[in-house]
Amino acid sequence: QQPVQSPQAVILREGEDAVINCSSSKALYSVHWYRQKHGEAPVFLMILLKGGEQKGHDKISASFNEKKQQSSLYLTASQLSYSGTYFCGTGNLDSNYQLIWGAGTKLIIKP
Amino acid sequence: DVKVTQSSRYLVKRTGEKVFLECVQDMDHENMFWYRQDPGLGLRLIYFSYDVKMKEKGDIPEGYSVSREKKERFSLILESASTNQTSMYLCASSPRPRENWYEQFFGPGTRLTVL
Repeated sequence: QQPVQSPQAVILREGEDAVINCSSSKALYSVHWYRQKHGEAPVFLMILLKGGEQKGHDKISASFNEKKQQSSLYLTASQLSYSGTYFCGTGNLDSNYQLIWGAGTKLIIKP
Repeated sequence: DVKVTQSSRYLVKRTGEKVFLECVQDMDHENMFWYRQDPGLGLRLIYFSYDVKMKEKGDIPEGYSVSREKKERFSLILESASTNQTSMYLCASSPRPRENWYEQFFGPGTRLTVL
């Protein structure tokens, strides 16, 4: 039931692009993306709702493919500040107060 | 800025002790959550509260209880701490009851070690 995130970890050079995927075995209503830096609280990035458009701000964007029950997070021209662990949380209409979280993708950006 | 604060960043307790983890939010949010975070497992919901004195079990409620006497405060209680409850505990809050398409605001976490 937990969504599957891939890859588990990725190491990039500053300026390179990354894609993080989140796949669910259940029909999704919403997908939430958060980033957690080491020793800090998870911080909200964006929410994608069923029927909504692709979202993004600055050089981080995400898409939501309802048919495939998956979401992808795109980080373009990565910066050192993008380092951290990215989590997706998925929401279903039959558990409307709960998010089910993926195990996380650790992103390391090297100069 | 929304602030979610947790009473301790680090806590060390002995097996069998009763442990209280406190969480306070200052944005008048209806929903509050307690999660447990373990490497490779992501965030797992322990308990959820959508109103004062209201609570619902999450995925892993065994060995835990909660209390919400005031809207801004949500407490997690380990009645008799065990070593397998050693973990990072995160509290979160969000507006509007029973809707999952709102941002959750997280506290800094409490790293609990049970010896």
